[in-house]
Amino acid sequence: DTGVSQNPRHKITKRGQNVTFRCDPISEHNRLYWYRQTLGQGPEFLTYFQNEAQLEKSRLLSDRFSAERPKGSFSTLEIQRTEQGDSAMYLCASSPGGGARDTEAFFGQGTRLTVV
Amino acid sequence: AQSVTQLGSHVSVSEGALVLLRCNYSSSVPPYLFWYVQYPNQGLQLLLKYTTGATLVKGINGFEAEFKKSETSFHLTKPSAHMSDAAEYFCAVSGTSYGKLTFGQGTILTVHP
Repeated sequence: DTGVSQNPRHKITKRGQNVTFRCDPISEHNRLYWYRQTLGQGPEFLTYFQNEAQLEKSRLLSDRFSAERPKGSFSTLEIQRTEQGDSAMYLCASSPGGGARDTEAFFGQGTRLTVV
Repeated sequence: AQSVTQLGSHVSVSEGALVLLRCNYSSSVPPYLFWYVQYPNQGLQLLLKYTTGATLVKGINGFEAEFKKSETSFHLTKPSAHMSDAAEYFCAVSGTSYGKLTFGQGTILTVHP
């Protein structure tokens, strides 16, 4: 399978717990993005990696959120001390890069987080 | 900065009828524009994109969109709706060198038999 893979697909957690999501991009894609999508809204940009470097973070990414991409391959998104407002679909996307703005981003199926 | 407005959060058509989903954008740089489709509990799939050149862009599944700079619009159309077109559609603009997307709020398309 050459698509973007996200795990887990669904996560239910109690408020205050920490959660971690994983994204495996398409092989050799050096750009990786995280987006958050709440019900009835379009995806909102969270952060962007070029290889292992995190080059942009949205103001949506509070200090409870941290993302990593060790060795420029898979990426993890961790949320500490989860709140009910964190309930959303977390989408990962990757693209080949190369400098052109029009490079298509390929999306994974997302991780749906429910905080109870 | 970039922004996208999709007019109409819900659109309902009969099978075989014209589909028209509206998108207006704002961009401080020449825009690259995209339409994505999302089926329930799925990720986003690219339908089509405009970068430069021809302003009428054809995509998958019979969809097309026309870039109109003077109207800052990028409306999505399909001549004849099919039941399988029922999904949520997102218009997006890219304004950075590294492909960061700004999405509209989405339009849910319902197709009636």
